[in-house]
Amino acid sequence: EPEVTQTPSHQVTQMGQEVILRCVPISNHLYFYWYRQILGQKVEFLVSFYNNEISEKSEIFDDQFSVERPDGSNFTLKIRSTKLEDSAMYFCAWSPGLAGEETQYFGPGTRLLVL
Amino acid sequence: RKEVEQDPGPFNVPEGATVAFNCTYSNSASQSFFWYRQDCRKEPKLLMSVYSSGNEDGRFTAQLNRASQYISLLIRDSKLSDSATYLCVVTNAGGTSYGKLTFGQGTILTVHP
Repeated sequence: EPEVTQTPSHQVTQMGQEVILRCVPISNHLYFYWYRQILGQKVEFLVSFYNNEISEKSEIFDDQFSVERPDGSNFTLKIRSTKLEDSAMYFCAWSPGLAGEETQYFGPGTRLLVL
Repeated sequence: RKEVEQDPGPFNVPEGATVAFNCTYSNSASQSFFWYRQDCRKEPKLLMSVYSSGNEDGRFTAQLNRASQYISLLIRDSKLSDSATYLCVVTNAGGTSYGKLTFGQGTILTVHP
């Protein structure tokens, strides 16, 4: 049973459109992350989120990206104006936030295709 | 130099074989180390953490050499179900900082009958 679910599982959108990807934790996790994986490439870190704030972000995470936890439950990644190169698998991850426990666990992912 | 470097393979081995994967990392400040496995078009799943003293989980043994910045994974008695991509992962998180995971490209393993 996954600790987080992600919706939608697949999304097809037109270039320039906004998309919102959602991550729904099952229990009260503290640390959240978004990663992406372009087909055939390695998994890349986008952003980490703790206590309703961004704690770290990568160079990929530019102004077109934003994250929030609007209702204290769902954790969302918004891409404001999608580009062709945003086509990828997007994974939400969480960490228990315990001292000495940095393991991260991944959701099943959302496959985004930008046409 | 890549932050985390792995031999991409593919490794094709028969059932029952022993196979070893290697990984090097460039940041000497890296704190924690992991092996994840990823099945085709699925999410990465934690296989095991890697400790300086070495650790074993059933048929899987992981080793860490901080001086050489080198991590290894040994799989004994390979099963068909071991076929996957094996991801070497490091993080610079420490103390109360829970930072990003940095992934290698992955090593593809195919176990055949």
